[in-house]
Amino acid sequence: GENVEQHPSTLSVQEGDSAVIKCTYSDSASNYFPWYKQELGKRPQLIIDIRSNVGEKKDQRIAVTLNKTAKHFSLHITETQPEDSAVYFCAASGNDYKLSFGAGTTVTVRA
Amino acid sequence: GAVVSQHPSWVICKSGTSVKIECRSLDFQATTMFWYRQFPKQSLMLMATSNEGSKATYEQGVEKDKFLINHASLTLSTLTVTSAHPEDSSFYICRAERELSEQYFGPGTRLTVT
Repeated sequence: GENVEQHPSTLSVQEGDSAVIKCTYSDSASNYFPWYKQELGKRPQLIIDIRSNVGEKKDQRIAVTLNKTAKHFSLHITETQPEDSAVYFCAASGNDYKLSFGAGTTVTVRA
Repeated sequence: GAVVSQHPSWVICKSGTSVKIECRSLDFQATTMFWYRQFPKQSLMLMATSNEGSKATYEQGVEKDKFLINHASLTLSTLTVTSAHPEDSSFYICRAERELSEQYFGPGTRLTVT
């Protein structure tokens, strides 16, 4: 099955700086790569996603890049704000719609 | 966006009892629902895939006789934790799929087994 690795496990950034989280996947058949933000005790919220036919996608302060050859994808958050503090998960899926999640990154934005 | 609900949101039960968790898609039909378990400070682990009208497909290491899944209709899937033990205490989350890019998580159910 798919194996998704995520780094770093924790990330502390100064407000206004950028945050980058990286993930790798093992199954070359995976074609859908979403990113989720999860606050304590709540459901994961989809913040951005990318498909394998696209190399980069941006939505305001959030961007995701995908390198299919290297099988890795990254989340970039610019101009971080305290409300960006949360746990972020990457995931990968093929046509079976099953999502395999990374271990998560706890992001802390220091005011 | 679409809404997925779970009931109950939290439950405390005694060891040895069974607990049923419901997952409903409120405004769309979900032919497939997924059940995840999340232990504190850990990632979401897929337990099983639930398809309407057929038997659930369980991930490796998940006991099908302990975690009973029934997907009786296009809007309802249930997960029953049978003979619960303290190690089953976890956050259980369902995900309903409309299309690959339209998938919605339920709010989760916090199970505590004493």
